[in-house]
Amino acid sequence: DSGVTQTPKHLITATGQRVTLRCSPRSGDLSVYWYQQSLDQGLQFLIQYYNGEERAKGNILERFSAQQFPDLHSELNLSSLELGDSALYFCASSRRGDTEAFFGQGTRLTVV
Amino acid sequence: AQSVTQLDSQVPVFEEAPVELRCNYSSSVSVYLFWYVQYPNQGLQLLLKYLSGSTLVKGINGFEAEFNKSQTSFHLRKPSVHISDTAEYFCAVSEGSGGGADGLTFGKGTHLIIQP
Repeated sequence: DSGVTQTPKHLITATGQRVTLRCSPRSGDLSVYWYQQSLDQGLQFLIQYYNGEERAKGNILERFSAQQFPDLHSELNLSSLELGDSALYFCASSRRGDTEAFFGQGTRLTVV
Repeated sequence: AQSVTQLDSQVPVFEEAPVELRCNYSSSVSVYLFWYVQYPNQGLQLLLKYLSGSTLVKGINGFEAEFNKSQTSFHLRKPSVHISDTAEYFCAVSEGSGGGADGLTFGKGTHLIIQP
């Protein structure tokens, strides 16, 4: 158990809908990272937050957004969902940016 | 910009045989290198990492990797594999400060299949 908790584990939704994925980092970790894993694109970095502030952005679509709350949990919001958004979404956390990342078990999103 | 190439998408190996999973990277600056393992229905777990010093790095579960700067490679090896090693293996590179989670770029993964 990495200590990073992601909910829900599975999510099935229809095209055009909006969903929210939740991540609770390890206790004391200030950095949260979101990744998307798909068969064709592999593991892609989406966005990073550090202590409530956005720190880095990767290949995140404009339809996607994230935030980190004062209690350091993070949410990834995906809207106007398309079939191609079906993927495994991972959250990772680290104490700071220069320390090891620990990954959650992921949320499998299926868009039908 | 940094990038990682894992040359094999799938590697079948017989149980108790040795295995090498290949990884090449490109970067314009010094990098830190990592191997992660993903077991079925699990998140990624760090196997080993190279930050500096000895180019031979030992990790968990009997795995080791060798950093070769001239060949820009970081191949993962295990002398004798077990059925439980069946998993997806990801090579990653970071230009971030301290070799941590910042700026991690992953390869597409190699599926290690252990055959009895």
